[in-house]
Amino acid sequence: GAVVSQHPSWVICKSGTSVKIECRSLDFQATTMFWYRQFPKQSLMLMATSNEGSKATYEQGVEKDKFLINHASLTLSTLTVTSAHPEDSSFYICSAVLVYEQYFGPGTRLTVT
Amino acid sequence: AQSVTQLDSQVPVFEEAPVELRCNYSSSVSVYLFWYVQYPNQGLQLLLKYLSGSTLVESINGFEAEFNKSQTSFHLRKPSVHISDTAEYFCAVSSGGSEKLVFGKGTKLTVNP
Repeated sequence: GAVVSQHPSWVICKSGTSVKIECRSLDFQATTMFWYRQFPKQSLMLMATSNEGSKATYEQGVEKDKFLINHASLTLSTLTVTSAHPEDSSFYICSAVLVYEQYFGPGTRLTVT
Repeated sequence: AQSVTQLDSQVPVFEEAPVELRCNYSSSVSVYLFWYVQYPNQGLQLLLKYLSGSTLVESINGFEAEFNKSQTSFHLRKPSVHISDTAEYFCAVSSGGSEKLVFGKGTKLTVNP
């Protein structure tokens, strides 16, 4: 139980384009999901908290207009990286909360060329 | 603000040797503590957690961790490691009823034959 999926697992896009990453809780409903970013050989950095039916809460220093988060249902949150730049290349990981615990997706590797 | 310190960025050990990965957190009234494991290019998998009750918690693959409130520590131990234990290990804490996790910088465990 408590499985979280992400799609796509990896994506390559050109600079200036937008890319959407999906995070789904497969066997439970989650009112809260989190989005993290992980640079090579570093820890996870919390980007934002995604709440179903309301606006996401962004951490300090994260551009909300660049990283658009939509939590349209209790099983789906999406992260859209708009006008991507090479420095946005990273590993993006989501998690979904069930009974005070976070369950993590497998991650999405984004490469911006 | 809560912080988590993993004192060792890399820990190399030989197979069948014991290992301890250290984790300290800044003091808080009430904390939940977690250890996650990450294999290359994958998301995080929960290894074990302390929410309440017994201060010694165990995982199904032989790891254990002990919550020490006086020393604000949650060190991870295994009496005999396997090659397959090679991975990155992250300590994380949530506090004050928040679902947000604060992660340590991670410890790369390398088990050599």
